[in-house]
Amino acid sequence: EAQVTQNPRYLITVTGKKLTVTCSQNMNHEYMSWYRQDPGLGLRQIYYSMNVEVTDKGDVPEGYKVSRKEKRNFPLILESPSPNQTSLYFCASRHLKDSGANVLTFGAGSRLTVL
Amino acid sequence: KQEVTQIPAALSVPEGENLVLNCSFTDSAIYNLQWFRQDPGKGLTSLLLIQSSQREQTSGRLNASLDKSSGRSTLYIAASQPGDSATYLCAASHSNDYKLSFGAGTTVTVRA
Repeated sequence: EAQVTQNPRYLITVTGKKLTVTCSQNMNHEYMSWYRQDPGLGLRQIYYSMNVEVTDKGDVPEGYKVSRKEKRNFPLILESPSPNQTSLYFCASRHLKDSGANVLTFGAGSRLTVL
Repeated sequence: KQEVTQIPAALSVPEGENLVLNCSFTDSAIYNLQWFRQDPGKGLTSLLLIQSSQREQTSGRLNASLDKSSGRSTLYIAASQPGDSATYLCAASHSNDYKLSFGAGTTVTVRA
């Protein structure tokens, strides 16, 4: 089944404890992206990647890092989490070709709470 | 910067009534506009994508229109069912740079 898999789905952590949220897709998509969703604000893009070793900042990159060493994986790293990073996180992917017609495939989301 | 707004934030309708969901955007130079459905505990599912050159798209009971000049898109859901209860989000794409600007969504409840 074609899908985007995120782990963990739920995580409670404490301020300053480094964590990584993994994202993996099995559709050979070139483009991958991370979003955070907060009440009343919709989804905001954190980082995106057009292909292996190519990443760029979205609208809210502060406090986050990403890497794209393999085409299928795009982990989101919080080096020193803070309470304002408590949010619902989504990973998404799609092909680059015919981008006007291709739509994003989303993971199920990762709910992160930073105490 | 593109701002996308969805009003109302929530609505409740009886089963069988037609749904009209609104989406407005500030920059008419969009590449495309997409409508998504979000169910609790699940990711977003794409419903319809309208290219900037199109006026509308249809899929079953769903119809989405796009009016770039007025900065509006509307999602119509005919003969609503309880299974249509979900949050619906619209997103505008900026040219072809793969950045999407999302609205905050409209949460729909269809009462049986």
